[in-house]
Amino acid sequence: NAGVMQNPRHLVRRRGQEARLRCSPMKGHSHVYWYRQLPEEGLKFMVYLQKENIIDESGMPKERFSAEFPKEGPSILRIQQVVRGDSAAYFCASSLGDRVYEQYFGPGTRLTVT
Amino acid sequence: AQSVAQPEDQVNVAEGNPLTVKCTYSVSGNPYLFWYVQYPNRGLQFLLKYITGDNLVKGSYGFEAEFNKSQTSFHLKKPSALVSDSALYFCAVRDNRGGYQKVTFGIGTKLQVIP
Repeated sequence: NAGVMQNPRHLVRRRGQEARLRCSPMKGHSHVYWYRQLPEEGLKFMVYLQKENIIDESGMPKERFSAEFPKEGPSILRIQQVVRGDSAAYFCASSLGDRVYEQYFGPGTRLTVT
Repeated sequence: AQSVAQPEDQVNVAEGNPLTVKCTYSVSGNPYLFWYVQYPNRGLQFLLKYITGDNLVKGSYGFEAEFNKSQTSFHLKKPSALVSDSALYFCAVRDNRGGYQKVTFGIGTKLQVIP
């Protein structure tokens, strides 16, 4: 059973460009979470999605950031008009359900904004 | 609001000695508790969880954790540390009340096992 897949692993964008981060959950998992990790700041929750629905986006910045998990295909985290402060590691995780179920993490996408 | 505290930024232990990584939590209801490990440039890996039942939970790679309700703690332990255990460890908590409840992660504790 393949794990959580994320691509690209590394992404370099100039200020003002768009960044698209993709996440394919583990087979059979319909719950997807996105996190951002900055050095010395731990793991920050961004958004929780189920197929075609955003369940909790309380950690998402109000502007420039959006996420989707369509019926077919991977979950996408989209960052428009990137700024240097967006440089971070972005992790996707999936789970079989919520509540008692643990999350399985992808290897992350390291975004660098120049 | 729920929260997780990992009071030590870094824990140093000699190879072969027992290790403990501390975690305390705060939830309104009862907790579901999780430990994850992160190696450099990798995603987090699940180690173990407490849902209900026996307070001592055994997980991957010889790790275990003890749930202590009175002290609201869930410390991670291993009887004999290996150099390969050196990594970043995250504690996480979720309230077990009904409906959707977010998982909250601690800030992480860096474990350094010294040969």
